[in-house]
Amino acid sequence: GENVEQHPSTLSVQEGDSAVIKCTYSDSASNYFPWYKQELGKRPQLIIDIRSNVGEKKDQRIAVTLNKTAKHFSLHITETQPEDSAVYFCAASRGTGGFKTIFGAGTRLFVKA
Amino acid sequence: SQTIHQWPATLVQPVGSPLSLECTVEGTSNPNLYWYRQAAGRGLQLLFYSVGIGQISSEVPQNLSASRPQDRQFILSSKKLLLSDSGFYLCACPRGANQETQYFGPGTRLLVL
Repeated sequence: GENVEQHPSTLSVQEGDSAVIKCTYSDSASNYFPWYKQELGKRPQLIIDIRSNVGEKKDQRIAVTLNKTAKHFSLHITETQPEDSAVYFCAASRGTGGFKTIFGAGTRLFVKA
Repeated sequence: SQTIHQWPATLVQPVGSPLSLECTVEGTSNPNLYWYRQAAGRGLQLLFYSVGIGQISSEVPQNLSASRPQDRQFILSSKKLLLSDSGFYLCACPRGANQETQYFGPGTRLLVL
């Protein structure tokens, strides 16, 4: 079946450095790629998303890139801060209705002050 | 926009006891609804989804069941809990202009002893 692979599972960076999390997906029909941040004990919350007709999207310190041919997409966080420490999930879906939203296994990001 | 309520927030239950978790949604009608489980330190596992009253699809065979007695109510149940049922249970529905993004409720933390 369809799946989303996410790497690395754990990432530790120094405050101010950049962090990159990479995902690959298998379902060619996927056309929507959200990223979620989950702080300890809380629900996952959407931080950025990208659609298949766009190659890159940026929102302040976070950016997402998509290579549809290779079925790769990545999250980039620049100038990391301690409050960026959390678990990040990528996901791929076929769009409307949330159907077939497949989540990656998550990346635990530690930002050391 | 939608608001999801889940209760209880926390639950400690003995092995073999029954379970009933409730999810209600405000601010939308006839939403697709989803139940996810997150084991400690793990990713998001889709358990059930529903496209309407009385319509339930199961993604993973297990000792859990789901029901949708009303348009905006989604219930997760078990007749006999197992230790492996412990986890963080999240209800979700699509949100956004294109109804693409999974929006999660606050979750129920279940510990089976």
